[in-house]
Amino acid sequence: SAVISQKPSRDICQRGTSLTIQCQVDSQVTMMFWYRQQPGQSLTLIATANQGSEATYESGFVIDKFPISRPNLTFSTLTVSNMSPEDSSIYLCSGQTSGRTSSYNEQFFGPGTRLTVL
Amino acid sequence: SQQGEEDPQALSIQEGENATMNCSYKTSINNLQWYRQNSGRGLVHLILIRSNEREKHSGRLRVTLDTSKKSSSLLITASRAADTASYFCATCHPWGAQKLVFGQGTRLTINP
Repeated sequence: SAVISQKPSRDICQRGTSLTIQCQVDSQVTMMFWYRQQPGQSLTLIATANQGSEATYESGFVIDKFPISRPNLTFSTLTVSNMSPEDSSIYLCSGQTSGRTSSYNEQFFGPGTRLTVL
Repeated sequence: SQQGEEDPQALSIQEGENATMNCSYKTSINNLQWYRQNSGRGLVHLILIRSNEREKHSGRLRVTLDTSKKSSSLLITASRAADTASYFCATCHPWGAQKLVFGQGTRLTINP
């Protein structure tokens, strides 16, 4: 299984600022995703991070607010722009391998970034 | 759209008892995955069950899938205090490009 790390693990930010979250996978993965988990809620998919091209956003999420980069198969960043208190959430990245192995289709998650916006 | 519906929303049992959590979904799936989350941290992958499978085991975990009823269950046997966590099911759909749709989760508390 892939091991996924995220930085920072948590942050407290002021309204109107931006924060970039980094996600690093220890092995190449085909797919990478970014999720948001609001307090006490389940996970909601923000976007699919595509290598070398623009991310694919889900309904309700836009590139101007959540720009995403994925320059290679093991690294991605999510920026939360012009933050407001409503953006206070846990942000998680995930990776999924391909190929006919026992873990095919399994999606593994990073430890999350807990963001508080004041 | 939200696919997974889990019940119960919260479950409290005594250590040593078995815990069963259920997940229902609405449209056809490629696979269904169960995750555990401790205290708002990252998700730990537990089991993936494919649409052509009916049951899978991993240690004290047993997952069943009934595609005719569009439902799955997670059974934890001989529960321990360390099993206290939130448990989520997530479905992967043929139309979803490998994306996962998460249920609302079950908050499991194991009382010593």
